[in-house]
Amino acid sequence: DAKTTQPTSMDCAEGRAANLPCNHSTISGNEYVYWYRQIHSQGPQYIIHGLKNNETNEMASLIITEDRKSSTLILPHATLRDTAVYYCIVRVGRSQGNLIFGKGTKLSVKP
Amino acid sequence: GAVVSQHPSRVICKSGTSVKIECRSLDFQATTMFWYRQFPKQSLMLMATSNEGSKATYEQGVEKDKFLINHASLTLSTLTVTSAHPEDSSFYICSVRDTNVYGYTFGSGTRLTVV
Repeated sequence: DAKTTQPTSMDCAEGRAANLPCNHSTISGNEYVYWYRQIHSQGPQYIIHGLKNNETNEMASLIITEDRKSSTLILPHATLRDTAVYYCIVRVGRSQGNLIFGKGTKLSVKP
Repeated sequence: GAVVSQHPSRVICKSGTSVKIECRSLDFQATTMFWYRQFPKQSLMLMATSNEGSKATYEQGVEKDKFLINHASLTLSTLTVTSAHPEDSSFYICSVRDTNVYGYTFGSGTRLTVV
């Protein structure tokens, strides 16, 4: 699986959009970008995933650059409950193996 | 997606005793489950892959005789920490690969404290 690079931490004001970047310059053509988050003392939660096109669901939007070397997770209106560690993971979509977690980005949403 | 239940959420045990953690896939038949461990302020590290009806596959450095995994049915995997030591205190999390959404569903985790 390709390696990802994320900032260690970010702050965001409540009600504003939170934009979390991820670099994955060695991503290959059949690898998807997944985002998970982990709220303190809970198991990780799936947010969204994508291959090439931008994706949106009820939780977030995922913007993938045209060269696929980076992506941005957007939480459009961050709330205090969005404070968590956000993990960007790149892997082959139908791979049967486990998820490999990096260090992620600690997002702190402040009032 | 799949619903995964993990129990207990917290447990405190004495050194030298054994603790069993259960991971149930409530609405999905999981032939494979994953067990992770997470120390404070660190990321999740895979301990082992649990395979229904066969032996688990352990990651390098994880003692299989200490962390016993049983996956006797398609909906239940258990992790038993034997002869627990204080350094086994950690957050243990199980996961199921949810083929419906290309993703993985995680249990809520078990906070183990060995005193």
